[in-house]
Amino acid sequence: ELKVEQNPLFLSMQEGKNYTIYCNYSTTSDRLYWYRQDPGKSLESLFVLLSNGAVKQEGRLMASLDTKARLSTLHITAAVHDLSATYFCAVVTGNQFYFGTGTSLTVIP
Amino acid sequence: DTEVTQTPKHLVMGMTNKKSLKCEQHMGHRAMYWYKQKAKKPPELMFVYSYEKLSINESVPSRFSPECPNSSLLNLHLHALQPEDSALYLCASSLPSGGYSEQYFGPGTRLTVT
Repeated sequence: ELKVEQNPLFLSMQEGKNYTIYCNYSTTSDRLYWYRQDPGKSLESLFVLLSNGAVKQEGRLMASLDTKARLSTLHITAAVHDLSATYFCAVVTGNQFYFGTGTSLTVIP
Repeated sequence: DTEVTQTPKHLVMGMTNKKSLKCEQHMGHRAMYWYKQKAKKPPELMFVYSYEKLSINESVPSRFSPECPNSSLLNLHLHALQPEDSALYLCASSLPSGGYSEQYFGPGTRLTVT
C-alpha cells in the first residue's frame, strides 16, 4: 500500500515568515495534488503536479515535485493570517487518491 | 461548471434508521468517489466508481451501500450505523485515470449517528 507522510503535522508561524511543508511518499505515482481545508469545510484544490521537476505557484504558495526522491514541497512565502488552514498532499495511482496526514497551519499576527 | 453538490448538508440519524446521501456533478466526469473524514484526520477513501461501475471498495462495512444510477449521480445508502460512523462524508469526481485529472470535492454531509 502506498504511504504518504507529511511533516510537520502542526505548524505555527508568524506573519511575514517563510516555511516549507514536506510530503514524502513510498512508491511511484502518476501525479501529486495539494489541497487546502478550512475548519468544517470541504477540500479546495491548490495544485496538481504531473512530472518530475514540476513547479507551480499561486500567490504566496509554491509547490514542487521531485519524483526521484518521492518528495513534494509546499513553500509558504511571507505568511498571512488568511493562510491558516490544514494542507493535505495526495498521491495518485490510477483512480486511487492516497492522502497525507495533513499539516495544520496557524499564522499568528 | 466545476461544482459537485451534496445533499443533505447535515444529517442526524438513529442506529436503526435508513437514510441516503446524494452527490451530483455535471462536469462529464466518469470517476466518482466517497470519502469519510473524521475531525483532524485526512479523508479515507471508501468507494470509487469508474464509468458507473464499482472499481474500488476499501473494505467498507456492509452498512454502507453505494449506488451509481448514472454518470452524474452517486448515492450512499446508510443502514444500522454505529456512533463511530459519525463523520464528514465527502463526495468527489474526476476524469478517469490515464491522464491529467483534477479531483473536485463537494461540500460534504456532516453525519451524526445517535
